[in-house]
Amino acid sequence: GAGVSQSPRYKVTKRGQDVALRCDPISGHVSLYWYRQALGQGPEFLTYFNYEAQQDKSGLPNDRFSAERPEGSISTLTIQRTEQRDSAMYRCASSSQGYEQYFGPGTRLTVT
Amino acid sequence: AQKITQTQPGMFVQEKEAVTLDCTYDTSDQSYGLFWYKQPSSGEMIFLIYQGSYDEQNATEGRYSLNFQKARKSTNLVISASQLGDSAMYFCAMIPLHGSSYKLIFGSGTRLLVRP
Repeated sequence: GAGVSQSPRYKVTKRGQDVALRCDPISGHVSLYWYRQALGQGPEFLTYFNYEAQQDKSGLPNDRFSAERPEGSISTLTIQRTEQRDSAMYRCASSSQGYEQYFGPGTRLTVT
Repeated sequence: AQKITQTQPGMFVQEKEAVTLDCTYDTSDQSYGLFWYKQPSSGEMIFLIYQGSYDEQNATEGRYSLNFQKARKSTNLVISASQLGDSAMYFCAMIPLHGSSYKLIFGSGTRLLVRP
């Protein structure tokens, strides 16, 4: 079946602009995670949803970052007033009842 | 706080030989899960293998196996009969199995290069 999809795959934006990154999880997966991966490093946790409820947002770096999953399926990660330090690969993952998380291809965000 | 340490930034292995990638972890939790992911140059994150802290047997998945030593808090990945397609970045990760958030905590990764 279809895996996790993310859009856009690449996003270049100017400093100060808002961006919205979309994640479409594997059908039926109730859990959805957002991670951020800097070049040459492992992914770092941002936030977690169980169905539509945001259960953990401890990894969001500041209040410019927010996420939603209003119908328990597609999720959007929004970064307001982007800064150059926000440049990274943003990855989404989903899981069903087990512990394995399946990752999407990521969105490469570049803030100029 | 949980922490994953991968001390090998890069490794070389000859095609068809076995290779071991090291991973140690730090946690005060009694119940946790350990994962390995592969990240080829294409950038995708591919789940390879999982080991639960209470599993008595070492996990195996095809050519991948774990050398899980709970007392030493290590979970090394063994890749047997290396292939050129195994060249990639490999990440070790863990999750606590309590609470409401199964967030993955990753190490810094090991880059494996398989030589023909």
